[in-house]
Order: sequence, then C-alpha cells, then structure tokens
Amino acid sequence: EPEVTQTPSHQVTQMGQEVILRCVPISNHLYFYWYRQILGQKVEFLVSFYNNEISEKSEIFDDQFSVERPDGSNFTLKIRSTKLEDSAMYFCASRQTGVNEKLFFGSGTQLSVL
Amino acid sequence: KQEVTQIPAALSVPEGENLVLNCSFTDSAIYNLQWFRQDPGKGLTSLLLIQSSQREQTSGRLNASLDKSSGRSTLYIAASQPGDSATYLCAVRLGSSGDKLTFGTGTRLAVRP
Repeated sequence: EPEVTQTPSHQVTQMGQEVILRCVPISNHLYFYWYRQILGQKVEFLVSFYNNEISEKSEIFDDQFSVERPDGSNFTLKIRSTKLEDSAMYFCASRQTGVNEKLFFGSGTQLSVL
Repeated sequence: KQEVTQIPAALSVPEGENLVLNCSFTDSAIYNLQWFRQDPGKGLTSLLLIQSSQREQTSGRLNASLDKSSGRSTLYIAASQPGDSATYLCAVRLGSSGDKLTFGTGTRLAVRP
C-alpha cells in the first residue's frame, strides 16, 4: 500500500539553527499538510498546501516556518531559527482531491531542540 | 472555535471485550469526522471516515457512528485483541475552516491478554 515517507525519523539540533524536515507524499495526492504533536498534547495543524501554494496556516506557523515543494515528489518544512518550544513530533500528511478523502500520515520526525 | 474532547482518556480491558470510545465536538457544522489509530512513536493511521451526511461506517471489527446534531461520535470495537492496544484519536473537519483537522486528546487503550 502506498505510504507517506518522512526523513529523518529523529533530528537533534541546537537552538537557533535551521532545520529542514522532508516528506514524500503519496504520488497521486494533491493536498499536503504538516501537523505537529508536542509530547503529551494534541495533534495540531500547522499548514496546508495545494497547487504550489499555502492554502491555510495556523497561528503557530509564523515567519520562522516555511514549506516548499521543490520537485514533483518532495514536500519540505523549514524552521529557520529553532526554539526550545519547537521540540515536537512533526507529521506530514497527504490526500487525494475530494472533501471526504482520508488523510494519510507519515510516521513523523521527532525534532529535539537543545 | 472547534473543541474536540475524548473520553475516557485511558481504558484497560481484557481480551475479547467489546468497547466504546467517545468523541464530542462543539461545532456541529462539520464536513466529516475521522478516527485514527496512533501507535507509540509512530504516525497516525486512518481507520474510518464518516461524512457529515452519514450515520455510521464499518470496517471489520470497527464501527463508528456520528450524531452531528448532538456533536458526538463513537467508535465501537468488537471482540478486542491485544493488537488493538494503541491511542485512538478522533478528528473533525469543519466546513468553515478550510480543510484542516481538529484533533481530540485521544483515548489510550490497553487490551490485556
């Protein structure tokens, strides 16, 4: 069964450093998302992306965050200057066209900011 | 603002029991509701999606119901197995909030052999 692939599975970085989290969505999907889950808290929406542009973003997704689809297969989340509170599991997700299509999640990247 | 609540927060049952997990949401203007399973340190797996016009969905031993007017959904697991042990999350997509999902806090299920 097709799956969403995320790399790396774990990322440790120093506060203030830039990180790029990578995702390969399912190949025929057109809608892409980033969510995150701080330990012990709810899964939170960050951003949705369609047709090569951001379609919606949450208040968490400030100027330090950016997303990009640099080619036909990859979808990346960049955090320019990481903060301690950015430590979380970051999930990429994708779905097909249609308002009632299931969302498929990757297995996540655990980001630890020291 | 949509709030999604799940009870109980944790549940431990012996193998073979039937069980019900509950999800409630404050804004009934939803497009759909999904139930996910999350294993420790892993991603989320979509189990069932119920459209706003539907009352229930079934997949194998799982049955999810939706009562939009009362803002409630239940996930029924029949004949539970140790392999069902995981955290179960419900998430709603509001019609007025783009296509983001709002997640509940989850129910952590342990099925004892």
